[in-house]
Amino acid sequence: EVQLVQSGAEVKKPGESLKISCKVSGYSFTNYRIHWVRQVPGKGLEWMGIIHPGETDTRYSPSFDGQVTISADKSVTTTYLQWRSLKASDTAIYYCARSMEHALEAPIDYWGQGTLVTVSS
Amino acid sequence: EIVMTQSPAILSVSPGERATLSCRASQGVSNNFAWYQQKPGQAPRLLIYGASTRATGVPARFSGSASGTEFTLTISSLQSEDLALYHCQQYTDWPPMYTFGQGTKLEI
Repeated sequence: EVQLVQSGAEVKKPGESLKISCKVSGYSFTNYRIHWVRQVPGKGLEWMGIIHPGETDTRYSPSFDGQVTISADKSVTTTYLQWRSLKASDTAIYYCARSMEHALEAPIDYWGQGTLVTVSS
Repeated sequence: EIVMTQSPAILSVSPGERATLSCRASQGVSNNFAWYQQKPGQAPRLLIYGASTRATGVPARFSGSASGTEFTLTISSLQSEDLALYHCQQYTDWPPMYTFGQGTKLEI
């Protein structure tokens, strides 16, 4: 069974750093790309970026390039989303999600449960 | 950058009725297009990909179609469990940008 299990909710202050995780199981980690998607509660989805764990190829949406870092650790089949300095506007739910196919032009077929990040002074 | 525009923002439909949701791409995306359903408090779920192919386990009352840059999700006979936020997405842009629409909230 394919599973993407994300780390728990976080409450942080502006300016703090944060790294959230997404551990996958049930398939070959290095064969499928993983997306990160942001959602302000009650609003639409925003695509942030994508990583190919087997090729360490990482691409970012222009809106998030330089604001976050996406990485992967094959030894623990986990991908990460990291901030160096959080802002209040980063408050949202963050989802990791798997591409259905190896190709870049593929939909998302499995999603993590989401991680709520709250940034408040 | 391709912009995806969904309409309407909110759709109120009675059980048993047909619901039609639309999504327009600002430029051609071929059939690299998907619909997702997100129920309250849950992660999104893939409904339709390739503009018209139902994902595994999706009931037959959900169907997708395309005409140029206009995409439609039809729910033939609405059920109460279909109450959700529906998102469209294109996955064709290069460099890769998997743009989502702003969502349509389906109220029963």
